[in-house]
Amino acid sequence: GESVGLHLPTLSVQEGDNSIINCAYSNSASDYFIWYKQESGKGPQFIIDIRSNMDKRQGQRVTVLLNKTVKHLSLQIAATQPGDSAVYFCAENPYNFNKFYFGSGTKLNVKP
Amino acid sequence: GAGVSQSPSNKVTEKGKDVELRCDPISGHTALYWYRQSLGQGLEFLIYFQGNSAPDKSGLPSDRFSAERTGGSVSTLTIQRTQQEDSAVYLCASSIRQGSNQPQHFGDGTRLSIL
Repeated sequence: GESVGLHLPTLSVQEGDNSIINCAYSNSASDYFIWYKQESGKGPQFIIDIRSNMDKRQGQRVTVLLNKTVKHLSLQIAATQPGDSAVYFCAENPYNFNKFYFGSGTKLNVKP
Repeated sequence: GAGVSQSPSNKVTEKGKDVELRCDPISGHTALYWYRQSLGQGLEFLIYFQGNSAPDKSGLPSDRFSAERTGGSVSTLTIQRTQQEDSAVYLCASSIRQGSNQPQHFGDGTRLSIL
């Protein structure tokens, strides 16, 4: 899940396992969500997005699940690889609003 | 280039000096955002530009911070009389247009260190 502060929650997985990263969002008016991946020294990189009229969307090795009832978003990464090691952020965008709100991130550590 | 470009990539300066950070968005993107990211933190919204509309400055932390976007393309974020708490990574993002359901694409940021 998300947390505030200097100590990012960390998820450690073995190479080849599946990873699940969770995010609780705050605004029930949010209708668009994005997962970003941020590697050290780089900007956030778009992974996958989902609109509120969907509860699941799949990409290449990634799946995003949206549960609007409990305001929860998750990112599933299949067959996790060392190159997946990074900090993952969720972002929510309230309807007809300019700004995105970002969580503080979860660090994914993939052990070879 | 194909992506958002920011310069400089690193900037070290003394407390009290002014700094200018530059962002070159993706060609054709009309929306441009500035964020600040402190160590181990999420992204803090600073300012948003959309076309020729008045910018949304609601995230600027003090009047020492200002930003311009000339010709609807390149943007400059200026911090006057820098303080140590201004040390952070400053990220710029652009999207194809305003509104919901448009992903933002980020540059690699400027890492600012105030001595």
